[in-house]
Amino acid sequence: GAGVSQSPSNKVTEKGKDVELRCDPISGHTALYWYRQSLGQGLEFLIYFQGNSAPDKSGLPSDRFSAERTGGSVSTLTIQRTQQEDSAVYLCASSPKGQGYNEQFFGPGTRLTVL
Amino acid sequence: GQNIDQPTEMTATEGAIVQINCTYQTSGFNGLFWYQQHAGEAPTFLSYNVLDGLEEKGRFSSFLSRSKGYSYLLLKELQMKDSASYLCAVPLSDSWGKLQFGAGTQVVVTP
Repeated sequence: GAGVSQSPSNKVTEKGKDVELRCDPISGHTALYWYRQSLGQGLEFLIYFQGNSAPDKSGLPSDRFSAERTGGSVSTLTIQRTQQEDSAVYLCASSPKGQGYNEQFFGPGTRLTVL
Repeated sequence: GQNIDQPTEMTATEGAIVQINCTYQTSGFNGLFWYQQHAGEAPTFLSYNVLDGLEEKGRFSSFLSRSKGYSYLLLKELQMKDSASYLCAVPLSDSWGKLQFGAGTQVVVTP
């Protein structure tokens, strides 16, 4: 079946511009996660959606970052007034449920480059 | 939060065995995950340990010692396709859903 998809695969933008990154989770998965991976670094948790509950935004690095999940499915991560340090691969993952042991299925990521 | 440490890189020859160690410090423990990530690709799940001991899955095994805050991933009969980064991860103490990842261990398999 279809896995997690993300778009665009690559995004190059100028410093100060806003960007939107999209994630389509696996159908039926109630939990959705955003991470980012800087060059040579591990994955850094950003935000977590579980069903209809309020999202856990504790990993967002600044108020320039926001995310929403419409209809419990597709999610958009928005970065306003991008900075060069925002350059990274942004990965989305989904899982059947958020509580208890569960495998997270990752999308291919969006590589963001801020010039 | 958690501190997770793993070696940066390991090199081994085809057919050999490699052991990737991971140490962690956590205020609460809900298990430990290993993921594999090939260059330019998404991480894929390998294993999950919540109890002490060894979990075996074909050529890959994962071990956990909760008292020592220590895990390892054992790769046997190495194949060229095993060249990848191996990520150790633990759930952040306040939520199952949020994983704290180590920086990853790059395994290079040589002929």
